[in-house]
Amino acid sequence: GEDVEQSLFLSVREGDSSVINCTYTDSSSTYLYWYKQEPGAGLQLLTYIFSNMDMKQDQRLTVLLNKKDKHLSLRIADTQTGDSAIYFCAESIRGYIPTFGRGTSLIVHP
Amino acid sequence: DAGVTQSPTHLIKTRGQQVTLRCSPKSGHDTVSWYQQALGQGPQFIFQYYEEEERQRGNFPDRFSGHQFPNYSSELNVNALLLGDSALYLCASSIDRNSGNTIYFGEGSWLTVV
Repeated sequence: GEDVEQSLFLSVREGDSSVINCTYTDSSSTYLYWYKQEPGAGLQLLTYIFSNMDMKQDQRLTVLLNKKDKHLSLRIADTQTGDSAIYFCAESIRGYIPTFGRGTSLIVHP
Repeated sequence: DAGVTQSPTHLIKTRGQQVTLRCSPKSGHDTVSWYQQALGQGPQFIFQYYEEEERQRGNFPDRFSGHQFPNYSSELNVNALLLGDSALYLCASSIDRNSGNTIYFGEGSWLTVV
């Protein structure tokens, strides 16, 4: 089965918060990432968290990690139409060769 | 400072042909990885090059091969193309000694096999 799982779609209203969830299976993962992919473009690293952290905040982005449940989430505050994209969760061991989920398509409507 | 650059951006090939895709890593990066992203899927790891050698390989057939040059740039070659090879091919570069938070991706090369 998938090593990293994400829901495929999320629709939010502009100005609301978005929460994208991810579960992973490898308990030895040491780095967990969130990447953003806009249509026709490559992957942009948004943020990452080490497995010994519970939370990381970076401007509008908040990453929460529940290591016991192997659950990772990305919260985007005050979601804008420019945030519409596909968001990929990824995990790696010691920072090598990230394994990606299938991505969550975030649709932001006015 | 240029990031990861890939060429060509788009190309169309016929089944059975061969293709070469190119990647220049971000300045200061010495490790290059290649990923295949099929439509609607996440990127799948093909292989990684460091010090001009293939260091690790994903679950891809031998039709997929690569090379890294002394200037750290890299090529991905795919022989005997199949329709299923149609995908976005992404190159990522990193610094070997600190790969975790320094993995940067290029814009990708869109390959269509007809």
